[in-house]
This record gives sequence, C-alpha cells and structure tokens, in this order.
Amino acid sequence: DTEVTQTPKHLVMGMTNKKSLKCEQHMGHRAMYWYKQKAKKPPELMFVYSYEKLSINESVPSRFSPECPNSSLLNLHLHALQPEDSALYLCASSQNLGLGRARKAGELFFGEGSRLTVL
Amino acid sequence: AQRVTQPEKLLSVFKGAPVELKCNYSYSGSPELFWYVQYSRQRLQLLLRHISRESIKGFTADLNKGETSFHLKKPFAQEEDSAMYYCALSGRSTGGFKTIFGAGTRLFVKA
Repeated sequence: DTEVTQTPKHLVMGMTNKKSLKCEQHMGHRAMYWYKQKAKKPPELMFVYSYEKLSINESVPSRFSPECPNSSLLNLHLHALQPEDSALYLCASSQNLGLGRARKAGELFFGEGSRLTVL
Repeated sequence: AQRVTQPEKLLSVFKGAPVELKCNYSYSGSPELFWYVQYSRQRLQLLLRHISRESIKGFTADLNKGETSFHLKKPFAQEEDSAMYYCALSGRSTGGFKTIFGAGTRLFVKA
C-alpha cells in the first residue's frame, strides 16, 4: 500500500462544532505532516510529527489540535473554528532517512485532502 | 529562514516549445530541493528531486548553489504537462525537518 488515505473527503461544520480529520498510511513512514491549502495558494505547513512525537508546530491556533495515536495514524481535531479556516487540509508522510547530521526528510507522499467548510 | 520563490504564477507555451519554470531558494544550510506537480483532480505528487539527478517525463532540474536556483526545464512541452508545479525545499528547522513550498507556477501547454 503506497497511499496516504484521508477521511472525510468533505466536511461542513459550524463554528461551535467539534470534528476530526483522519489520515492513515501503511508505508512504514515515521514522519507525518498536516498542511493547509487555500484556493490558488501553496500548501502551508501546520504540524510535523516525527516518530509519533510532535516536532514542529508552525504557530497554529489552539483550535487545531493534532494527535498521532500510532505510527500509521494522524488526526487533526477541530474545535471552535472560524470561517477563514475553510480550506483543503492535506496530510503527508515521509521516511526519516539517515541519522544525525546526515538525516533528511525525503519525498512527501500526500493524501487527496479533506475539504473543510466552516459556516 | 527557509524561503522558496517562484516568480511566475502562470506560464503559457505552445506544444513542442521549450519550457523553464524558475525557482530560487534561501537557506543557510544544505537543502533538499524538490519539484512537485499537481495535475487536474489528482493529488500532489513528487516530480523530481535534486539528489537523484534524474529526468522524469522529460523534465530535468539542476541545483545551482551559486545562484541558489533549481529551475525546472523540458526541451519540448506536451499538452499533458499542463498542471500546477511547486518547487519545495526541505531543511532543518527548530524541532526537526520541514518542507516548504513556493507559490507555484501553473503551466498551460497550448495545442
């Protein structure tokens, strides 16, 4: 299995709702990522997990809460979102290659994304 | 700080013409550079990376550290090359490695 699978494909939620986005990969990758992509804009990094630990948070508001229950799964919990949070949320994974100073992130494998609309 | 610049939002060429998509980067260390492509209604996927120095679908890209550039080139564009192309840089940041993307260039190949 060489795919990253994201669910749901589409999500509509109100500003008071709590919902979650899910991402799954079975390629043995130990780095997983959340990106946000607005229309006609590039993917913007939100979070990086490395070996199931949060390693990078790009100053994302706390209404977005990531979780990595195991090496294959990545969740993004959503609560009290704003209409401007409406976007395509992309999950990606990569191998962590090498050790120490030789370590590299490698190629990112992307899911198809979850399109979120906040009303 | 890491930065990737793609100066052209849109590039329109005729089929069979050469194409060059520009990418410049800013990074203090030794970066990994990539080109990702997104065809209509498909997921974002890797096109090529500087480390492998390969040609994929006729595209090549050479890392020029002196000019901090990683331009994507193809000698003869095909209609099926029409897509969104993103230059990406992966580098070490506080906490780990991260990959950031340029603004993207939409390539339109006309018949």
